[in-house]
Amino acid sequence: DAKTTQPPSMDCAEGRAANLPCNHSTISGNEYVYWYRQIHSQGPQYIIHGLKNNETNEMASLIITEDRKSSTLILPHATLRDTAVYYCIVRVATGNQFYFGTGTSLTVIP
Amino acid sequence: KAGVTQTPRYLIKTRGQQVTLSCSPISGHRSVSWYQQTPGQGLQFLFEYFSETQRNKGNFPGRFSGRQFSNSRSEMNVSTLELGDSALYLCASSLAASTSTDTQYFGPGTRLTVL
Repeated sequence: DAKTTQPPSMDCAEGRAANLPCNHSTISGNEYVYWYRQIHSQGPQYIIHGLKNNETNEMASLIITEDRKSSTLILPHATLRDTAVYYCIVRVATGNQFYFGTGTSLTVIP
Repeated sequence: KAGVTQTPRYLIKTRGQQVTLSCSPISGHRSVSWYQQTPGQGLQFLFEYFSETQRNKGNFPGRFSGRQFSNSRSEMNVSTLELGDSALYLCASSLAASTSTDTQYFGPGTRLTVL
């Protein structure tokens, strides 16, 4: 079962930063937080993952709170192509399966 | 490097038939996982194969099965199709899945419609 809670939808103005929150209050010490996004009917696209430190790559930044009970995905300059459903996933430490929740539908507005 | 490929991309079957879907992982990836996505249930884990062995299994009936070949390519089979099996079937591959940081990369999916 999914161990994360995300708002069902969010809007963001084009060119502004999109901040997508995720709660994972039952996360265990060795479980990673992963973010994927899915553009309509395509396969999910990997964005970023982290354990306890903040992470940044060419797509986004991931901020994880010190107690690891929540995190925020930041898209620094949202474009229309960032409109998608964003999934926050806690990857279980045993087994190689991801439990997807319902995600956040992000709409970037021109 | 080529990504995960899935064939066919679209498929239409009738109730009672069976279907086989194929997945070719990224070169060098040894783990292949399968997921089902429907509007009502979202993305659900079906099973994972590693070194030709099923290593993890989700909560799906025995009509759903799979296998993995020595070149890591995988197939999944659904027998006695039901209307509720209409879904997007996604395949994901990862390097070795031996650690909790193994990242899965998804293919474009196969859209199955059961009439």
